[in-house]
Amino acid sequence: EVQLVESGGVLVQPGGSLRLSCAASGFTFSRDWMHWVRQAAGEGPVWVARIKGDGRETGYADSVQGRFTISRDNAKNTVYLQMNSLRVEDTAVYYCAVEGEPAGLCPWGQGTLVTVSS
Amino acid sequence: QSALTQPPSASGSPGQSVTISCTGTSSDIGKYNYVSWYQQHPGKVPKLIIYEVTKRPSGVPDRFSGSKSGNTASLTVSGLLAEDEADYYCSSYAGSNKFVFGPGTRVTVL
Repeated sequence: EVQLVESGGVLVQPGGSLRLSCAASGFTFSRDWMHWVRQAAGEGPVWVARIKGDGRETGYADSVQGRFTISRDNAKNTVYLQMNSLRVEDTAVYYCAVEGEPAGLCPWGQGTLVTVSS
Repeated sequence: QSALTQPPSASGSPGQSVTISCTGTSSDIGKYNYVSWYQQHPGKVPKLIIYEVTKRPSGVPDRFSGSKSGNTASLTVSGLLAEDEADYYCSSYAGSNKFVFGPGTRVTVL
């Protein structure tokens, strides 16, 4: 069974930094694209970033480009999201997800809450 | 990288069909056959129900179907059940390793 467990979400001040982790199990981690998607309370999901199985290709939403960095450690079956220069509008539950189907995210983890507030 | 457009709500009686539209541009939906749909019940994690415009993951009932014409994709839920009441989100690949989601459509089963 595929399992994704996110961690690292906390309360952080505007301008601060944070690193989220997503530990994966139950599938060949190094084969699949991995994504981060965020969802603010009462809003729909917003795509954040994507990384190829070998880590050699990445993509970012315009709203986080230059501030966030996605990476992965295939030896640890873990994907990361380094978040810098955090803004109040970055407040959301952050999910990691496997691109288990072509351009289809399945499954998703349970999410980790990031709150950016002074 | 603009968000896709969806109607905020849709409804139907049990047994009826409801169709949700998702409008993008010639840079996303119009260019790629990488449209996905997700179902989200309150307090739950989004669940993939359609990928590559028309394909269903294993375990998703065939009451759910997808299509695309030009810059607009559609999700049809046939034979509505009470359990289909949820929020539905479309997503599309937008090139350059970017994706975009729609704002969601709340489906109500009357």
